Amino acid sequence: AQSVTQPDIHITVSEGASLELRCNYSYGATPYLFWYVQSPGQGLQLLLKYFSGDTLVQGIKGFEAEFKRSQSSFNLRKPSVHWSDAAEYFCAVGNTGGFKTIFGAGTRLFVKA
Amino acid sequence: EAGVTQSPTHLIKTRGQQATLRCSPISGHTSVYWYQQALGLGLQFLLWYDEGEERNRGNFPPRFSGRQFPNYSSELNVNALELEDSALYLCASSFGDREGATQYFGPGTRLTVL
Repeated sequence: AQSVTQPDIHITVSEGASLELRCNYSYGATPYLFWYVQSPGQGLQLLLKYFSGDTLVQGIKGFEAEFKRSQSSFNLRKPSVHWSDAAEYFCAVGNTGGFKTIFGAGTRLFVKA
Repeated sequence: EAGVTQSPTHLIKTRGQQATLRCSPISGHTSVYWYQQALGLGLQFLLWYDEGEERNRGNFPPRFSGRQFPNYSSELNVNALELEDSALYLCASSFGDREGATQYFGPGTRLTVL
């Protein structure tokens, strides 16, 4: 069965430091992978997606993610975090049909000055 | 291009009342999804509509229902409101349900049940 695991419930990083949010998935075929960000009380905004091709995907707001098939991972990275990046981040996996998109439980990012 | 819109932004009801939430998808999108995001519970899939028909529903009681109109906008109805229905309700749309369809989300409706 499809599943998405985000092992970290909370992460705190200092402003200017690098960031990596972990995402592991379970799926029999090549998945379609997504990262979304949600600011408090807001909807989800698509950061980036991977369908095929280059395993390093660039997204908006300076984020990137790398698909590693051997590790079943799709970790999100940013070289230098800004205070405005504080939000909740959701990893998702989907394949045959949008409704089968499965969301992880989310990782809350805190940024300290 | 306009994104997914939802109305109202906030809704306050009392137990036993009915709530109606509305969603307009991105132009050209035929699929609409509804999610409930209660505090600390992540996104829970509620309903999926495509081309005017309900295609799938999550593990929610029948008092959660909805419909999709010919212009692909959608309505979520929650009858006999309970306190635990208080949550952020998110609507998303996609271009059909083809492989890899990307869901785009609206800003949500915050429902508070007193």
